[in-house]
Amino acid sequence: AQKVTQAQTEISVVEKEDVTLDCVYETRDTTYYLFWYKQPPSGELVFLIRRNSFDEQNEISGRYSWNFQKSTSSFNFTITASQVVDSAVYFCALSEAFYQGGSEKLVFGKGTKLTVNP
Amino acid sequence: SQTIHQWPATLVQPVGSPLSLECTVEGTSNPNLYWYRQAAGRGLQLLFYSVGIGQISSEVPQNLSASRPQDRQFILSSKKLLLSDSGFYLCAWSVDLASYNEQFFGPGTRLTVL
Repeated sequence: AQKVTQAQTEISVVEKEDVTLDCVYETRDTTYYLFWYKQPPSGELVFLIRRNSFDEQNEISGRYSWNFQKSTSSFNFTITASQVVDSAVYFCALSEAFYQGGSEKLVFGKGTKLTVNP
Repeated sequence: SQTIHQWPATLVQPVGSPLSLECTVEGTSNPNLYWYRQAAGRGLQLLFYSVGIGQISSEVPQNLSASRPQDRQFILSSKKLLLSDSGFYLCAWSVDLASYNEQFFGPGTRLTVL
């Protein structure tokens, strides 16, 4: 069965610190996608990134960067120079294909609550 | 651009009362639609998904049901709410028949059952 583990339940940092959120996944599929979502206090999940299993290049988007390593089944998320607005719960997710009906299912980790203090 | 709406935003209901939560998507056709529940704390649980009108798949047996009367409308219902139904309900959509596409979430409905 597919599984996503976010071992860090809560992280607290001071503004301008760098912080890395860990994500470890399990899957038997050779083709799969990994995702990160942000859930601010308002509650809506905001899509951040999608990465497919064939692309292990790291990605950077502004202060955000992602490190995908198939060898360790990890897809870690780093925020550089954190800001108070980064405070949120962050979810890592793994796609699980439903071959019947053509839909996909996302398997979510339990999330990491990040608090950035001024 | 696509937008997804949910209502109501918050709801307080007594145990045993019925429930109807609505989700609509604009700006896309034939989306896949999903209902999730997030219980107190964190963790998203997929409840239902739909690949088309009238096509509903249930992930978790419970006293909730879902319907899709129109292409871009997804409704979550219950005949009799339980205390354990309290939580944050999120609707999401993804592009139809496109493998491994990201899901986009609505603003959610916070349900409290007393």
